[in-house]
Amino acid sequence: GAVVSQHPSWVICKSGTSVKIECRSLDFQATTMFWYRQFPKQSLMLMATSNEGSKATYEQGVEKDKFLINHASLTLSTLTVTSAHPEDSSFYICSASPPGTNYGYTFGSGTRLTVV
Amino acid sequence: DAKTTQPPSMDCAEGRAANLPCNHSTISGNEYVYWYRQIHSQGPQYIIHGLKNNETNEMASLIITEDRKSSTLILPHATLRDTAVYYCIVRVGRGGTSYGKLTFGQGTILTVHP
Repeated sequence: GAVVSQHPSWVICKSGTSVKIECRSLDFQATTMFWYRQFPKQSLMLMATSNEGSKATYEQGVEKDKFLINHASLTLSTLTVTSAHPEDSSFYICSASPPGTNYGYTFGSGTRLTVV
Repeated sequence: DAKTTQPPSMDCAEGRAANLPCNHSTISGNEYVYWYRQIHSQGPQYIIHGLKNNETNEMASLIITEDRKSSTLILPHATLRDTAVYYCIVRVGRGGTSYGKLTFGQGTILTVHP
């Protein structure tokens, strides 16, 4: 089946530093990937839509200069949290939809970001 | 996408069937019902989806009412590993103009007891 790999699975960083999270589609090409954020005991919230070869589309209230998205190839999208602060600590999840199917989306295993 | 309503939590005994309801009274004719689940600290996992006919796969069954305003996800023999948050999502299928975004509600926390 289609697999989306996300790396790292967890990261701890100091306040003010930047962190990059990778999302790869392992056995299919994904022109579009999605990035979600989930705070403890809350549901997933869509942050942005990553488009291969073009700018990402951000949801309302998400700072595009803080959450940099790069989708340079058909199998890789990256999310960089710049100048991270403790309030950015969250669970970040990416997803993509294998082409030719209608069964929905495959999600990565998520990245737990802790900013100290 | 149409809004969905699910009970916040449910309990089920191991080995018994778990029936998770979902209301989607404003569903449109071109919208599918999708079910995902999320086990603690993992990404969501696709379970099943349907348009208007009942569906069954190796994981679960999906029963959609004739008016399509509600549906039920059935896990026929729940195990402890089925303990998770279950999300019912209504959205257009591939080819729809808004295809791509998934809007997650609060879901139902299913706890399977020994």
